[in-house]
Amino acid sequence: AQKVTQAQTEISVVEKEDVTLDCVYETRDTTYYLFWYKQPPSGELVFLIRRNSFDEQNEISGRYSWNFQKSTSSFNFTITASQVVDSAVYFCALSEGSRGSTLGRLYFGRGTQLTVWP
Amino acid sequence: DTAVSQTPKYLVTQMGNDKSIKCEQNLGHDTMYWYKQDSKKFLKIMFSYNNKELIINETVPNRFSPKSPDKAHLNLHINSLELGDSAVYFCASSQRPQGVREAFFGQGTRLTVV
Repeated sequence: AQKVTQAQTEISVVEKEDVTLDCVYETRDTTYYLFWYKQPPSGELVFLIRRNSFDEQNEISGRYSWNFQKSTSSFNFTITASQVVDSAVYFCALSEGSRGSTLGRLYFGRGTQLTVWP
Repeated sequence: DTAVSQTPKYLVTQMGNDKSIKCEQNLGHDTMYWYKQDSKKFLKIMFSYNNKELIINETVPNRFSPKSPDKAHLNLHINSLELGDSAVYFCASSQRPQGVREAFFGQGTRLTVV
C-alpha cells in the first residue's frame, strides 16, 4: 500500500495565483516525520521542510506554507503568489521513526508536477 | 562547496557492462543512502549505510553492490547492466537516520543503458 499519496499528478496555474499541493500519508507509528522536497527541471532534489508528528503547528516561510493535520493524515503545501520559478515537481515524503529496521527510510509520494505560466 | 556530490552526472553504457557511481558528502553526516528515480519520477530507496554499516538493503538485484570505504563516501557498483537499470540514481546523506534529520541529496546520476 502506498504510504504517501499525492493525488494531483499535474497542476497548472498562472503567475500570482495561489496553489495548494495535497499530501496524504498512512502510518501506524506514533512517531513519524514528514517532508517536502522540490525537484526543479535541472533535476536536483531540494529539501523544503521537515515536520515531526508531535508538532501540528502550521509553518510559513515566505510564500510557502504548510498545513499539517493529523486528524486527516494530511500535510499540504501552499504556494502563495506563485512565480514561474516555482515550476517543478514537488514530492511529499514520510519517515517512520519507531522501527529500527526501517529507520531512515524515506517513503516518497509520486510527486506533483507544478507548472506556473507567465 | 557542494554538500553531497556524485560522479558522473551522466552515464551512458551498453548492456552487460559494469559501472560505478561515486558519492561523497562533506557535511559530517553519519548516514548515507542510494535512491533510484524511475522514468515516472518515482523515488525509492535502495540502500542505507550508517557509519559504514549497511542498515537498509531494499529488494534490489544483487548486481547492485554498495560500498562505503568511510562514512563520507558511499559508492554504487552495478554489474551486468540491463536496459531496466536506466534511471536517475541519487545519493543522499543525513546527520542521523532520516527520522531525526532531513536528507540532503546529490545532483543525481542519469544512467542510460543501451
